[in-house]
Amino acid sequence: GQNIDQPTEMTATEGAIVQINCTYQTSGFNGLFWYQQHAGEAPTFLSYNVLDGLEEKGRFSSFLSRSKGYSYLLLKELQMKDSASYLCAVQPSYSGAGSYQLTFGKGTKLSVIP
Amino acid sequence: ETGVTQTPRHLVMGMTNKKSLKCEQHLGHNAMYWYKQSAKKPLELMFVYSLEERVENNSVPSRFSPECPNSSHLFLHLHTLQPEDSALYLCASSQDVTGGRNTGELFFGEGSRLTVL
Repeated sequence: GQNIDQPTEMTATEGAIVQINCTYQTSGFNGLFWYQQHAGEAPTFLSYNVLDGLEEKGRFSSFLSRSKGYSYLLLKELQMKDSASYLCAVQPSYSGAGSYQLTFGKGTKLSVIP
Repeated sequence: ETGVTQTPRHLVMGMTNKKSLKCEQHLGHNAMYWYKQSAKKPLELMFVYSLEERVENNSVPSRFSPECPNSSHLFLHLHTLQPEDSALYLCASSQDVTGGRNTGELFFGEGSRLTVL
């Protein structure tokens, strides 16, 4: 089975740095995605980690430790527009069916305040 | 604009109605998905179609019936729903991952907000 945990809500100040953690226990693992979802909008891709370590992309970075079942999303220089839900999603081992069936966490609602 | 279009964006229906949700992707992908998003719950995978064949059905009630006539279109037919089926239904697509050439990143539509009275 799959179990993914992330905080329900977080609040941070504009210009600051925030780290959103995600822990997972899964029966098979290939990689981990982070998605951003603004209220009333589609989830959009932020990052993908397969190997251990940090992936940096502008103000956003994502870290993965496969041995610890742990990932985090780091947002720097927070802006008001970063207020959204951040979804952690585990990609299982490939089953040969041509697609992956991701398992999502409940999401972390981030509020950025002035 | 994500390249995945869902209609209608909002739907209100009674428990005895029959309605359908439609999804169209313009990305040239060959896998399509239906997810259910309820408040305070994780996104739940309902159906997957890869190369136009359904590859998994996660024990979704039979009152939900998917249809995938081609790789660009996906439908979710709804009949005799229950109030607890009220949720946001998200369609997504991805490129085939056979051979490890693609990551399997999902591209989502903006969803159809369903209310069952």
